[in-house]
This record gives sequence, C-alpha cells and structure tokens, in this order.
Amino acid sequence: DAKTTQPTSMDCAEGRAANLPCNHSTISGNEYVYWYRQIHSQGPQYIIHGLKNNETNEMASLIITEDRKSSTLILPHATLRDTAVYYCIVRVGRSGNTPLVFGKGTRLSVIA
Amino acid sequence: GAVVSQHPSWVICKSGTSVKIECRSLDFQATTMFWYRQFPKQSLMLMATSNEGSKATYEQGVEKDKFLINHASLTLSTLTVTSAHPEDSSFYICSARPRGPLTDTQYFGPGTRLTVL
Repeated sequence: DAKTTQPTSMDCAEGRAANLPCNHSTISGNEYVYWYRQIHSQGPQYIIHGLKNNETNEMASLIITEDRKSSTLILPHATLRDTAVYYCIVRVGRSGNTPLVFGKGTRLSVIA
Repeated sequence: GAVVSQHPSWVICKSGTSVKIECRSLDFQATTMFWYRQFPKQSLMLMATSNEGSKATYEQGVEKDKFLINHASLTLSTLTVTSAHPEDSSFYICSARPRGPLTDTQYFGPGTRLTVL
C-alpha cells in the first residue's frame, strides 16, 4: 500500500470547519483514499472514502486533488465530540482480504 | 449500518493464563476478519487476517502459537492469547469486511483492553 503523510496534530475551534490534509504522492491508479477516526479507547470509525471524485456524506467531505497526490478531509462544523485521531489510508478498492494499514494519523483537538 | 461487537470489553488476568476474545458481526456476514492490537500512544498494528473456514494469516513477528485465531462462522472470530504475560497487555481490536456490496470498507469493533498482572 502507498504510504500517507499527515500532520501530527491540529486544533480547531468548535463550530468551525476542520480541514485535515493528507499527502499520498505514490498512490496507484487503483488505490482508494479512506478516512477513519479513533476516539480515545474506542475502535476506529469509518468516515468516508473515494477514488478520484470528491465525496460527501453525513459526516464529512473528501476533496481529492486532480493528480490524486493529496486529499483533504473536511468536517464542516466541528464539535467537541469530533476530537479524535484521524487516519488517512490508501488501499486497493474492493480488494477482498487486503487489510487497512494504519499510520500515525492526525490528532484533532476541537476546542470550545 | 454494519455493527461489530467484541466481548469482553476489558479483562484482567494473571500471568500464565489464557484469555479468549470474541469478535462478532451483528448484522452482516463477514468472510474476512482482521485482528489488530494497539499499545498506549501508538497506532493500530495488524496482527492477523482471519478467513472463515481456513487458517489465519499472521503478520511477521506475531506468534501464531501464542495468538490463536479461529473463524468458525461467518459472524464470529475468536482470538485466544495463550499463556499471557504482562507484555501482552494491550488494546485488541477486530474488524470485519462484509460480503456483498459493502466490500470496500472494514468495520471495527469497540476493542478489548487486556491487562495481564
């Protein structure tokens, strides 16, 4: 799997948009970008994933650059409950038994 | 949505004993389940991949005789930590990949915190 690079930590004011960047400059054409988050002492939670088009769901938006070498996860109105470690992972889609490999992620602190 | 449960959520045991952790997919069938562990302030580390009806595939450095994995059905995988020692104390997390149209994603259980005294 291609490696990703994320900032170690970020702060965001409550109610503002949180923009979490991820670099994946060696991504292959058949690899998707996945985002998960892990709230303290819980299992990771799926957020969103995409291949090349921007994606939006009830939790977040995913913006992928045209060259696919980087992406940004956007939490439009961050709340205190969004404080977590956010992981950006690239992986071949519909790949059956291929597991998710976690890097160090970005620790997002939402501040009141 | 897809729900994965783990039991127990936490366990404390004496050194030398064995501990079994269950991972269940509650509303979907999972042909593949994964086991991870996480030490404090570190990221998740993949331990093994478990396929229903076949032997698990272990990551390099993970002792298969110490961490026994059984995936007996499409909704249940178990991890048994045999002869546990204090260095096995960790947060163990399973995930499951559903059969069918949701195969792009893995869903994670809430984790089991193991403390070996």
